[in-house]
Amino acid sequence: GQQLNQSPQSMFIQEGEDVSMNCTSSSIFNTWLWYKQEPGEGPVLLIALYKAGELTSNGRLTAQFGITRKDSFLNISASIPSDVGIYFCAGLPSGGGADGLTFGKGTHLIIQP
Amino acid sequence: DAMVIQNPRYQVTQFGKPVTLSCSQTLNHNVMYWYQQKSSQAPKLLFHYYDKDFNNEADTPDNFQSRRPNTSFCFLDIRSPGLGDAAMYLCATSRDSRAKNIQYFGAGTRLSVL
Repeated sequence: GQQLNQSPQSMFIQEGEDVSMNCTSSSIFNTWLWYKQEPGEGPVLLIALYKAGELTSNGRLTAQFGITRKDSFLNISASIPSDVGIYFCAGLPSGGGADGLTFGKGTHLIIQP
Repeated sequence: DAMVIQNPRYQVTQFGKPVTLSCSQTLNHNVMYWYQQKSSQAPKLLFHYYDKDFNNEADTPDNFQSRRPNTSFCFLDIRSPGLGDAAMYLCATSRDSRAKNIQYFGAGTRLSVL
């Protein structure tokens, strides 16, 4: 099946630093989604991307849909303690519809005060 | 207000004792999904309902079943839970749209098997 390679697996940063993570795939995706999950909770949608090359911001978060449709990145600027959590990329294959999401393995963000 | 609601948040069952997890939605979405998420792993799709049509993933064990009596509710039944079934179970919904299919997740039910 399709797989998403998400990196880095974990990040230890200082408060105020910028963060960058990315996902790559061997196949094309029609939609890229970025979720954040906190301990004991379900994933919460951060940003949705629908077009190749699309760059979308949500507050301090910025994500881009790669031109090749096989990759995406998420940046967080000026990190704060509440940014701690696991960030997942997720993709929908070409055609979309009711397909289940393919998730990356997640990036665990840890912020040191 | 929560739009995808899962009950209970925590469930403890005994090895081999059937258990049912519940999901409801106020979004009137066509599609409801069940994912299994084990510790430090990504969610893994078990199956989904597109309206009343059930779609099982090829590698989902027969031990896992689902029911969707109406648009708003969907249940996950584990017929004979094993120790390996201990996990977080996530319900998600989406409105079928070829162009923009965003899935909204509930808070999950954490299942423990003793």
